[in-house]
Amino acid sequence: AQSVTQLGSHVSVSEGALVLLRCNYSSSVPPYLFWYVQYPNQGLQLLLKYTSAATLVKGINGFEAEFKKSETSFHLTKPSAHMSDAAEYFCAVSGNEKLTFGTGTRLTIIP
Amino acid sequence: GAVVSQHPSWVICKSGTSVKIECRSLDFQATTMFWYRQFPKQSLMLMATSNEGSKATYEQGVEKDKFLINHASLTLSTLTVTSAHPEDSSFYICSARGQRSYNEQFFGPGTRLTVL
Repeated sequence: AQSVTQLGSHVSVSEGALVLLRCNYSSSVPPYLFWYVQYPNQGLQLLLKYTSAATLVKGINGFEAEFKKSETSFHLTKPSAHMSDAAEYFCAVSGNEKLTFGTGTRLTIIP
Repeated sequence: GAVVSQHPSWVICKSGTSVKIECRSLDFQATTMFWYRQFPKQSLMLMATSNEGSKATYEQGVEKDKFLINHASLTLSTLTVTSAHPEDSSFYICSARGQRSYNEQFFGPGTRLTVL
């Protein structure tokens, strides 16, 4: 069994501020973890993925995430928010062939 | 690489008609394809998993006779919504996975279905 919890359905940050989106997972097998971004009326774009290599994963658009097994967390961060980062973000876990998504976090950037 | 397309991007149909949505992997062979449904402001709900040449495996609560899935080749899967009703209106997203992708799925751009 696997599950994902995203804390905070809505997060607002000022432009230039740190972005932190939280994700905790549960998996009965060593997990693969993903962060996806979705813009309105579009599909999902992969930001980054953890596949049991380095615990600090760098992705596109300046995002990165750290896998912490002891905390079962995979939080997404970006040092400086841009207006273009406004979107819906989904954390997902895969321990078998299926992806299980969190409920999503809507990120709003305040000018 | 790893591009997945969907057609159509949006469709409006009358209640009672059937609608077919195509999902294609453009530059890789997709051994497995997935179909998701997304309600407004909600997460993705997996509907079914299909492997090329096999019958699709449906998630609990998904009507297999209503949502027909065909995965006839390594680059094409189709979802047919039969006898569509307004409650079937939703955003449908497909994804595809190749042979060596660490369980990563590549997503299509989605299809917005509106049933009048």
